[in-house]
Amino acid sequence: SQQGEEDPQALSIQEGENATMNCSYKTSINNLQWYRQNSGRGLVHLILIRSNEREKHSGRLRVTLDTSKKSSSLLITASRAADTASYFCATSSQGGSEKLVFGKGTKLTVNP
Amino acid sequence: EAQVTQNPRYLITVTGKKLTVTCSQNMNHEYMSWYRQDPGLGLRQIYYSMNVEVTDKGDVPEGYKVSRKEKRNFPLILESPSPNQTSLYFCASSQLRVDGANVLTFGAGSRLTVL
Repeated sequence: SQQGEEDPQALSIQEGENATMNCSYKTSINNLQWYRQNSGRGLVHLILIRSNEREKHSGRLRVTLDTSKKSSSLLITASRAADTASYFCATSSQGGSEKLVFGKGTKLTVNP
Repeated sequence: EAQVTQNPRYLITVTGKKLTVTCSQNMNHEYMSWYRQDPGLGLRQIYYSMNVEVTDKGDVPEGYKVSRKEKRNFPLILESPSPNQTSLYFCASSQLRVDGANVLTFGAGSRLTVL
């Protein structure tokens, strides 16, 4: 069962601009994570936000969580060509927290 | 280096020929899982394991088997592969945390084509 759904499916920006990706989910969560995948390679964990947190930062990444709207956003500031990748949200439901359900991803292209 | 290693990375096989994709992690992680990734469908969990000799079905287990005889290894077995199992497969592992968060470390992926 698919939990997270990212929006947009694809995003193309210029280097230096900010990129914002959104994730919506359906049921109550324990936490939400964001992962990055470079083309055809393994996913890499970026950041985790717990259900009782509203915002979290890590370097150029900013994640927000709105549990009332069941949505999260990932902001990448001052993007670089190396940020070109697909970004996935993954949710962990309350009561079954070891199971992660991934969305279909947002494909980000940062043009030099 | 802490990592999850999958082999083979690329494989082309024929319908019905049994194959095994190996997965090994060197981080002493308790939790291991297999996912398949298909265009338009995202990542879907096939099987997972909470510890040695403890395995359970994910969302798409049909046509697959797993075993967890040792903590570090979690092979994925396709007894009789079919073309609809053509996909990109990922193994992942994690150390389950007290707060319940499951942060996965992924392997590099195994691209399987079944003719």
